[in-house]
Amino acid sequence: KNEVEQSPQNLTAQEGEFITINCSYSVGISALHWLQQHPGGGIVSLFMLSSGKKKHGRLIATINIQEKHSSLHITASHPRDSAVYICAVRPNFGNEKLTFGTGTRLTIIP
Amino acid sequence: DVKVTQSSRYLVKRTGEKVFLECVQDMDHENMFWYRQDPGLGLRLIYFSYDVKMKEKGDIPEGYSVSREKKERFSLILESASTNQTSMYLCASSPRNRRLYEQYFGPGTRLTVT
Repeated sequence: KNEVEQSPQNLTAQEGEFITINCSYSVGISALHWLQQHPGGGIVSLFMLSSGKKKHGRLIATINIQEKHSSLHITASHPRDSAVYICAVRPNFGNEKLTFGTGTRLTIIP
Repeated sequence: DVKVTQSSRYLVKRTGEKVFLECVQDMDHENMFWYRQDPGLGLRLIYFSYDVKMKEKGDIPEGYSVSREKKERFSLILESASTNQTSMYLCASSPRNRRLYEQYFGPGTRLTVT
């Protein structure tokens, strides 16, 4: 069993829909990251959080440390949001290393 | 803006060749990482370096070696490339300051070994 599980693996939605991507992890962590990867490979960091909630534009990330769960929400989704979204955790024991989920492929249809 | 660059976007090599993948970052970061990314498996850490000449094995170091002679440059070496090393290779860097910790990724190198 992976230490970081994401769901769903694939998600297709219509433009304008509210999107939720989930991430569950099994280890104690010091931080959780949400990353975005567009076709072509480049990965950018969207959020780093260790508690509560963060918002950036139409993106919202939440984390519940007790339940070992995080969600990434996209409001008013747009075709340019189509990408792979990756959850990664920094385990307490792992010093500088991250453990990654396998990603959620999101496709937004116009 | 942090910039992490990789020497090639696409590379095709033959089985048995020695392959060098280079990564350069311009933000004076202490930490640098090499990952490979395969469908269904996500990113897996090959090697990690936390300082010049310092390295630590990741989850899948077999068949790879690394070199960090200068702080800004981290090289991944495939001593004798094999077809199962066909993959996307991603380099990343991060500062050591845990409060500011965030990994910055390069654009990736898609390596095909034939």
